[in-house]
Amino acid sequence: QKEVEQDPGPLSVPEGAIVSLNCTYSNSAFQYFMWYRQYSRKGPELLMYTYSSGNKEDGRFTAQVDKSSKYISLFIRDSQPSDSATYLCATGANSKLTFGKGITLSVRP
Amino acid sequence: DADVTQTPRNRITKTGKRIMLECSQTKGHDRMYWYRQDPGLGLRLIYYSFDVKDINKGEISDGYSVSRQAQAKFSLSLESAIPNQTALYFCATSDRTADRSYNEQFFGPGTRLTVL
Repeated sequence: QKEVEQDPGPLSVPEGAIVSLNCTYSNSAFQYFMWYRQYSRKGPELLMYTYSSGNKEDGRFTAQVDKSSKYISLFIRDSQPSDSATYLCATGANSKLTFGKGITLSVRP
Repeated sequence: DADVTQTPRNRITKTGKRIMLECSQTKGHDRMYWYRQDPGLGLRLIYYSFDVKDINKGEISDGYSVSRQAQAKFSLSLESAIPNQTALYFCATSDRTADRSYNEQFFGPGTRLTVL
């Protein structure tokens, strides 16, 4: 079992839709939880991070972590075509990150 | 100018050739990483370095070697390239952090390597 499993894609939604992206992890030692966004032909960029269970909101984005069930989610409200990208969950400890496989999201105008 | 640069951006080579991918950063970070990205497999860690004298193997180091020439430079070598090393390679950097702080990694633009 990989340490971080991410729901497979790709995912295509209409503009304005609510998007839910999900990951699970297996290592209880992981201390922080992140979502990276990667546009085509670019390197990943940090979108959100948290290191506690619960929700963290930033504009249209909400990151949710449930440490008891080892579940990581990212919600995007009012999705826009500019949100079209690959989203990678990541978790880690001791300055090392383990990434999920990534899911490609396409938001149709 | 970009904070993390990678050269070359694209490279096509033949089986058995030696290849070096270079990474430079101007962020002043101590920690540097090399990843490869493959469709369906995501980002996988090849090597990482927490300072110039500290180099560690990652998840998939076989067939690769690295050199940390300076705080700002970290090179990845493929001594004898093979076709299944065809992938997108990323360099990343991060700052020294407290034990329980999150560890944001800053990625370069990637090198697309094709081994024929």
